[in-house]
Amino acid sequence: AQSVTQPDIHITVSEGASLELRCNYSYGATPYLFWYVQSPGQGLQLLLKYFSGDTLVQGIKGFEAEFKRSQSSFNLRKPSVHWSDAAEYFCAVGANPSGNTGKLIFGQGTTLQVKP
Amino acid sequence: GAVVSQHPSWVICKSGTSVKIECRSLDFQATTMFWYRQFPKQSLMLMATSNEGSKATYEQGVEKDKFLINHASLTLSTLTVTSAHPEDSSFYICSARVPNRLDGYTFGSGTRLTVV
Repeated sequence: AQSVTQPDIHITVSEGASLELRCNYSYGATPYLFWYVQSPGQGLQLLLKYFSGDTLVQGIKGFEAEFKRSQSSFNLRKPSVHWSDAAEYFCAVGANPSGNTGKLIFGQGTTLQVKP
Repeated sequence: GAVVSQHPSWVICKSGTSVKIECRSLDFQATTMFWYRQFPKQSLMLMATSNEGSKATYEQGVEKDKFLINHASLTLSTLTVTSAHPEDSSFYICSARVPNRLDGYTFGSGTRLTVV
């Protein structure tokens, strides 16, 4: 079955501390992986994506993620968290977006709280 | 580029009435759009995939007679919640496939529906 698991429902970190949000996936085909951020009452903004190539991908706002095929993981990291990073984070997996199918499967989300 | 405009951003309606939510691609042609539903503090659940000029494909468990999706043009998809009830209150988000773009998807800002 195709699924995405974000084991941490809620994470609290101090401002300036490092962050890692976990994501594990189960997908039958070549996975295309995404991390999105959602502020309250808003849509989703793409942080970064992995399709192929270098397994360490850089995104916006200082985020990066590493694809580890052996672990079926795509964890999101940031070396120093800012108060403005407080939001909901979603990991998602899908097929090649240029293909005919294109629906994304989302994880449950991780709520990030940043302490001053 | 690749902006999707979703309206309204919020709506309150009386039980038994119908509500239409619009999702419009502003600067590209969206042959495929997706409609998601998100309950508070939960993930996005795909409701249906709509392709321009054809019937929408609904996910298992989604009532197609209740959630009417129309994708009559390459720039507009609509979701109509018919005979709305309080349990239909939720956050609805549309998404569109972006052709020839590696990030593949763009999301509307969402619609908060409250049925009273």
